[in-house]
Amino acid sequence: QKEVEQDPGPLSVPEGAIVSLNCTYSNSAFQYFMWYRQYSRKGPELLMYTYSSGNKEDGRFTAQVDKSSKYISLFIRDSQPSDSATYLCATRWAGGTSYGKLTFGQGTILTVHP
Amino acid sequence: NAGVTQTPKFQVLKTGQSMTLQCAQDMNHNSMYWYRQDPGMGLRLIYYSASEGTTDKGEVPNGYNVSRLNKREFSLRLESAAPSQTSVYFCASSAFEDSSYEQYFGPGTRLTVT
Repeated sequence: QKEVEQDPGPLSVPEGAIVSLNCTYSNSAFQYFMWYRQYSRKGPELLMYTYSSGNKEDGRFTAQVDKSSKYISLFIRDSQPSDSATYLCATRWAGGTSYGKLTFGQGTILTVHP
Repeated sequence: NAGVTQTPKFQVLKTGQSMTLQCAQDMNHNSMYWYRQDPGMGLRLIYYSASEGTTDKGEVPNGYNVSRLNKREFSLRLESAAPSQTSVYFCASSAFEDSSYEQYFGPGTRLTVT
């Protein structure tokens, strides 16, 4: 079992829809939770990160972490065709040894059609 | 300010050949990383360097070697390429190991081993 599981999709939604992307993780020691966006044939770029539980909002994007159920979510409001990309969740330990190592999910391919 | 640059962009190798992938960053970051990305597998860490002079194995280090040449440059070497190493390789950097949740990625190298 992978430490971070993510439904690869693909997910196709109409413009303006609310998108929900999700991951589950197995290691309760993970404390940092990230969402990266990757456009086709480009490198990933950080969208947002959260530490421990709770919500974080940035414009149309909201990241949510539920540590009790080991569940990570990214919500995109008023989705746009420019949001079409692969979305990767990632996790990390808080500190200690080797905390530079990130564990990524498989990525979800999202298409927003006009 | 170019960020993270990688060379080459594309490469085709025959089984058993060797090659070095080059990575450089101009953000004065201390930590650098090498990942491979395969369909359905997400990003997997090969090696990382928390700071100049140190390297550490990631999830999939077999068949690879790395060199942290200086603070800017981190290279990945395939000594004897195998078809299983066909992948897209990404280099990334972060200001410090502690801030590894915020990594900046290069554009990738697409490697095919025949």
